[in-house]
Amino acid sequence: DAGVTQSPTHLIKTRGQQVTLRCSPKSGHDTVSWYQQALGQGPQFIFQYYEEEERQRGNFPDRFSGHQFPNYSSELNVNALLLGDSALYLCASSLQGVSPLHFGNGTRLTVT
Amino acid sequence: QKEVEQNSGPLSVPEGAIASLNCTYSDRGSQSFFWYRQYSGKSPELIMFIYSNGDKEDGRFTAQLNKASQYVSLLIRDSQPSDSATYLCAVKGNTGFQKLVFGTGTRLLVSP
Repeated sequence: DAGVTQSPTHLIKTRGQQVTLRCSPKSGHDTVSWYQQALGQGPQFIFQYYEEEERQRGNFPDRFSGHQFPNYSSELNVNALLLGDSALYLCASSLQGVSPLHFGNGTRLTVT
Repeated sequence: QKEVEQNSGPLSVPEGAIASLNCTYSDRGSQSFFWYRQYSGKSPELIMFIYSNGDKEDGRFTAQLNKASQYVSLLIRDSQPSDSATYLCAVKGNTGFQKLVFGTGTRLLVSP
């Protein structure tokens, strides 16, 4: 039974570029949430997708956008990258209304 | 006031001792409480979750919840060097969607 899978594992981008991160939820899960974790901090909620719609959003600018596909997989897009976007990006899945969240291994994004 | 507060540590305990990790939260409507373990460079891994006041035990781990005091704790009995990691406390609010709010984590060091 595959857990949450994320790709790529590492990514290096230049300021101003755009990036797309991908996530496949754990088998049987239908909800995907994205978190950003800066070094030494706890994960910060970006947004959550359920039934292909953004259901809740954290305090992140519009540069951060996402999508959920009919197979429940999801993408996180970040435009106009800033140095401060360098972080570990975590995808987590769950079955709506049933906790808890299960995290993928994350994508380490470095913006230079 | 931060929504979820943890002492950043490090908390140092000798092998075989009991490690006590604490967390306070500000939203009285919070319903679900989680402890995640995160090794350096890795993603968070769920250890325990608790919904009701009192204690919940799972092997060497005990989660304690006191909603009146807005306090959650994690006890690790017979601590092992492999328990050395950052422990994240996370709280779920009272909405229908599972936004988890994380603390910054407590770093635990277990010495042989």
